[in-house]
Amino acid sequence: DSGVTQTPKHLITATGQRVTLRCSPRSGDLSVYWYQQSLDQGLQFLIQYYNGEERAKGNILERFSAQQFPDLHSELNLSSLELGDSALYFCASSVGQGASTEAFFGQGTRLTVV
Amino acid sequence: GESVGLHLPTLSVQEGDNSIINCAYSNSASDYFIWYKQESGKGPQFIIDIRSNMDKRQGQRVTVLLNKTVKHLSLQIAATQPGDSAVYFCAENMWGSSNTGKLIFGQGTTLQVKP
Repeated sequence: DSGVTQTPKHLITATGQRVTLRCSPRSGDLSVYWYQQSLDQGLQFLIQYYNGEERAKGNILERFSAQQFPDLHSELNLSSLELGDSALYFCASSVGQGASTEAFFGQGTRLTVV
Repeated sequence: GESVGLHLPTLSVQEGDNSIINCAYSNSASDYFIWYKQESGKGPQFIIDIRSNMDKRQGQRVTVLLNKTVKHLSLQIAATQPGDSAVYFCAENMWGSSNTGKLIFGQGTTLQVKP
């Protein structure tokens, strides 16, 4: 157990809908990262928050947004869902803001868009 | 675009043998590299890391080698065990220039250990 908690584990929803994925980082970790894992794109970095502030942004679609709350948990919002958004979404956390500190991954949320 | 590529999609080894998983990275500015292991149904798990000022780093049964000249990274697993069966990813970070934790992952190599 990495100490990073993601909910829900599985999510099935229809095209055009909106979903929210939740991540609780390890105790004491200030950085939260979101990654998308699909069969054709592999693991892709979406966004990083550090202590409530956006720190880095990857190829995150405009339909996607995220935030980190004062208690350091994070949410990833996916809207106007398309079939191609079906993927595993991972959250990771680390103590510092850089990769110099080991990032621990959660078990992921499997999103299926039908 | 950004990419960290892996040389082989699947590696099959006999239990007890040594395994070598290779990775080619494309960005010369990358200065931090990590190997992750992902078992079925789980998130990536940190194995070992190395900074660009090093050529070699050893852990428990694992060794990472970095060749910056040819932008090549390898993971060596000694005495491979059935529990080592998983997908292995290399990842790179440009800490010195980006000052962020953004990781660029390779496509992954599946390691199969035959009993």
